[in-house]
Amino acid sequence: GAGVSQSPSNKVTEKGKDVELRCDPISGHTALYWYRQSLGQGLEFLIYFQGNSAPDKSGLPSDRFSAERTGGSVSTLTIQRTQQEDSAVYLCASSSRVAGAPDTQYFGPGTRLTVL
Amino acid sequence: KQEVTQIPAALSVPEGENLVLNCSFTDSAIYNLQWFRQDPGKGLTSLLLIQSSQREQTSGRLNASLDKSSGRSTLYIAASQPGDSATYLCAGGDYGQNFVFGPGTRLSVLP
Repeated sequence: GAGVSQSPSNKVTEKGKDVELRCDPISGHTALYWYRQSLGQGLEFLIYFQGNSAPDKSGLPSDRFSAERTGGSVSTLTIQRTQQEDSAVYLCASSSRVAGAPDTQYFGPGTRLTVL
Repeated sequence: KQEVTQIPAALSVPEGENLVLNCSFTDSAIYNLQWFRQDPGKGLTSLLLIQSSQREQTSGRLNASLDKSSGRSTLYIAASQPGDSATYLCAGGDYGQNFVFGPGTRLSVLP
């Protein structure tokens, strides 16, 4: 595709509900990242996928957060039992990095999550 | 743990001025340093990436430098234009492929 796409662009949910956020990376990119950006804050790393390796989940804030990447392409970030502090913009990025050589990240437009 | 800060938090300049945005990082074992711009309600757009073996990168009116020993990177914007108005973020990457972002500098270029 032309770039990284994310869906939905906006999501409003009630506290306690589960949500799924989707990321379609640039075709052929092996690395995929999820970040969270709260209002007025910098980007907070959540999780990183590289090829078929086990993902780096060190940034996930709690066990309510999980992510998977199917077939090395599309990724889904799931937040269970959402809380109001989960409200943020969730950004996905991909890169064509080779192992051990970080490469330029290309970001999607983000999903704005609002938990009421 | 890598920490990245950016100064100033906000900057307002008249059109045509040259300006410098600053980024500081605590871990000199940085593997690369990226500069991004973010427009309101949008994702991030990569501007420049400097590998640890490099001192600077240039793209058009933008020049980014990296000084690992002092833990600093600067983004120089020449002849600023209103279209440059955005938030500029820097991010330090380590060999383990993790990136830590600074809080950003919000730039306004006044016509």
